[in-house]
Amino acid sequence: GAGVSQSPRYKVAKRGQDVALRCDPISGHVSLFWYQQALGQGPEFLTYFQNEAQLDKSGLPSDRFFAERPEGSVSTLKIQRTQQEDSAVYLCASGQRQETQYFGPGTRLLVL
Amino acid sequence: GNSVTQMEGPVTLSEEAFLTINCTYTATGYPSLFWYVQYPGEGLQLLLKATKADDKGSNKGFEATYRKETTSFHLEKGSVQVSDSAVYFCAPISSGSARQLTFGSGTQLTVLP
Repeated sequence: GAGVSQSPRYKVAKRGQDVALRCDPISGHVSLFWYQQALGQGPEFLTYFQNEAQLDKSGLPSDRFFAERPEGSVSTLKIQRTQQEDSAVYLCASGQRQETQYFGPGTRLLVL
Repeated sequence: GNSVTQMEGPVTLSEEAFLTINCTYTATGYPSLFWYVQYPGEGLQLLLKATKADDKGSNKGFEATYRKETTSFHLEKGSVQVSDSAVYFCAPISSGSARQLTFGSGTQLTVLP
């Protein structure tokens, strides 16, 4: 079946611009996670949804980062007033309740 | 919170060599443990997992055993192939409500023909 998809795959933004990154999870998956992966590093947790409820946003680095999943399916990660340090790959993962997370290909964000 | 220490890379091996990538972790309780693999230009793929002490996860010739006493989950493969060249990540899952993964810095493996 279809896996997790993310769009766009690549995004170049000028410093100060707002960006929106989309995640389409595997159909029926309750859990949805966002991670940030800096170059040469492992992914770091940003936020977690169970259905439409955002149950943990402790990993969001600043109030410029905002995520939503209004209907419990597609999720959007929004970054306002982008900064150069926001340049990274943003990974989305979905899963059932039994822990295994399935990752999308990621969105590579470059802020100039 | 959880933390992971992985064997530093890069690791370069010849085809058919034996592979070990060490992973130790600190965590609250007894978390499930995962190995993920990231091929160049791709997202993370689940390689294997173990959910309780002494469990052995295995897939595609790779194995890892959940060792509670040493808090380790070392990845092994008896005979690597060129196609195994990738970055490997060890990750326990948190015991909190989010159940997020905590990743190590990854180990780059290059297998030469």
